[in-house]
Amino acid sequence: GAGVSQTPSNKVTEKGKYVELRCDPISGHTALYWYRQSLGQGPEFLIYFQGTGAADDSGLPNDRFFAVRPEGSVSTLKIQRTERGDSAVYLCASSLGRGLVNTGELFFGEGSRLTVL
Amino acid sequence: DAKTTQPTSMDCAEGRAANLPCNHSTISGNEYVYWYRQIHSQGPQYIIHGLKNNETNEMASLIITEDRKSSTLILPHATLRDTAVYYCIVRVDGSNYQLIWGAGTKLIIKP
Repeated sequence: GAGVSQTPSNKVTEKGKYVELRCDPISGHTALYWYRQSLGQGPEFLIYFQGTGAADDSGLPNDRFFAVRPEGSVSTLKIQRTERGDSAVYLCASSLGRGLVNTGELFFGEGSRLTVL
Repeated sequence: DAKTTQPTSMDCAEGRAANLPCNHSTISGNEYVYWYRQIHSQGPQYIIHGLKNNETNEMASLIITEDRKSSTLILPHATLRDTAVYYCIVRVDGSNYQLIWGAGTKLIIKP
């Protein structure tokens, strides 16, 4: 596709449930990022993939959060035993990756709004 | 990465130049200044970045002071569609991608 695609755009779930959020990056982008954004705040880094591997997962808040990117393209963010505090917009971004072609520009999707009741 | 400080909000008249300041007094020599904006209910959008020289592209101009402790993003002819939150971020290019975002400046363009 032309841009980063995220599904679902909105997800309402109950406390304790399991949730998966999907990100389809721009074709050819080797780097993929997940951010979380609460109302009135800037995005908060969660995890960064270079290819299939998680190069930096230091932003994941706890072990209920997990992300995969098995084939180096689509990524899934998984949240177990959701809590009300997990409610936020989850943003995915992709970029060309490191090296001379990298301008540092991240291309963001529209986000997945998660509401935990 | 160095921390940035931006005003919480600003207004600008449509058609005028919008000048958004950013302080980054602890910036290191190898840290770039990046600007992104986020229109309501959308993902952030890259605008421009620079190291020490002033930069210009089709969206905006970036003016970085000689000591690099502050910068200004200039939207030369603001339109209503430029209403957004503007984020100033500093980052070491080519290293980690963990951009540290503040709360940004809410820019409101008024007709």
